[in-house]
Amino acid sequence: RKEVEQDPGPFNVPEGATVAFNCTYSNSASQSFFWYRQDCRKEPKLLMSVYSSGNEDGRFTAQLNRASQYISLLIRDSKLSDSATYLCVVNIDGGATNKLIFGTGTLLAVQP
Amino acid sequence: DTEVTQTPKHLVMGMTNKKSLKCEQHMGHRAMYWYKQKAKKPPELMFVYSYEKLSINESVPSRFSPECPNSSLLNLHLHALQPEDSALYLCASSQGGHPYEQYFGPGTRLTVT
Repeated sequence: RKEVEQDPGPFNVPEGATVAFNCTYSNSASQSFFWYRQDCRKEPKLLMSVYSSGNEDGRFTAQLNRASQYISLLIRDSKLSDSATYLCVVNIDGGATNKLIFGTGTLLAVQP
Repeated sequence: DTEVTQTPKHLVMGMTNKKSLKCEQHMGHRAMYWYKQKAKKPPELMFVYSYEKLSINESVPSRFSPECPNSSLLNLHLHALQPEDSALYLCASSQGGHPYEQYFGPGTRLTVT
């Protein structure tokens, strides 16, 4: 089993749609969880940290389910500018080091 | 300001060349990282420096040699690379403590001929 697994995508959605990405991680001791977005030929940019209680930032909502080792990202009212690859990222060793493991990413294409 | 800078943006080098990639941050972060990213793949960790000491080497070949001259600077020295080493090389930094949010520089796109 991969340490961090994501929906393979691509997701093609119309503007204004709601889209959800899922991610599972293998190490139950993991403590830190993030969503990054990466545009084509650019660096990953931190989108959100994911907290146990769930957190929201505008149109973006992240949820964490520790029992199921599952993380989600919900994007409401999709914009053309949301088109990117979304990377689920986990600190895999329970905080012993600051090593992050990246999922393979899910490509989102928002269509006009 | 969450800025990490990297130079050069692009680099083409022959297999016998020696070159260096540079990374700089002025956020007071105490951990710095080198990643390698191939097309359509996620970033792969190469090295981690924590408080200017090498803390993680992900079994990277010795033709890649990292250096951390001070807490703001990180270099990656390249020697005798192979064409398969062509990739985007990303530098990142973090405060060093939980929750380890890492901020990436724009990367150096390396081509080995």
